[in-house]
Amino acid sequence: KQEVTQIPAALSVPEGENLVLNCSFTDSAIYNLQWFRQDPGKGLTSLLLIQSSQREQTSGRLNASLDKSSGRSTLYIAASQPGDSATYLCAVTGNAGNMLTFGGGTRLMVKP
Amino acid sequence: EAGVAQSPRYKIIEKRQSVAFWCNPISGHATLYWYQQILGQGPKLLIQFQNNGVVDDSQLPKDRFSAERLKGVDSTLKIQPAKLEDSAVYLCASSLYGEQFFGPGTRLTVL
Repeated sequence: KQEVTQIPAALSVPEGENLVLNCSFTDSAIYNLQWFRQDPGKGLTSLLLIQSSQREQTSGRLNASLDKSSGRSTLYIAASQPGDSATYLCAVTGNAGNMLTFGGGTRLMVKP
Repeated sequence: EAGVAQSPRYKIIEKRQSVAFWCNPISGHATLYWYQQILGQGPKLLIQFQNNGVVDDSQLPKDRFSAERLKGVDSTLKIQPAKLEDSAVYLCASSLYGEQFFGPGTRLTVL
């Protein structure tokens, strides 16, 4: 059974810092990995999707990497802003289907 | 392109009552999912549909939860009777080529 873990569970940084969020998964046989953002009381917004054959994806100030063999992904946020404050969730899709298995999320607070 | 629509956005009921949630996926998306997200946790899949057929419902508490997608478009999720531990946000998502898009969710409070 796939298990996804995110560290840290919460993070508070001053504005302007570069930061890294970590995600690990137990079964390396994945189809893809997605990073989502969730604002309080809202649904999930897809940030980046990395196919199993890819090593990284970039969108603006966000860069996500994938190391399938070690079961790890990182989300790098450059020059953090208060508007980046949210919960960031990592999820993997197994080869057997489209079911997403989520981590518990990292709650990020960027202080002005 | 319109996103995934869900209603209601909020629902408060007493335990042992029944409740139903509705989801309208993105047009053309054949796959539809229902997730349960308990406060402070990541979402957990309840059921996955491909068109109007069930692909995976292994984590659906079938003694009280049911879901249908009769015409392969809209879907409803029902809880009957509700328990206190069902308090959560219920998220609907749809996908076409593997990437899932989520609706805003329905926040259920069971008193």
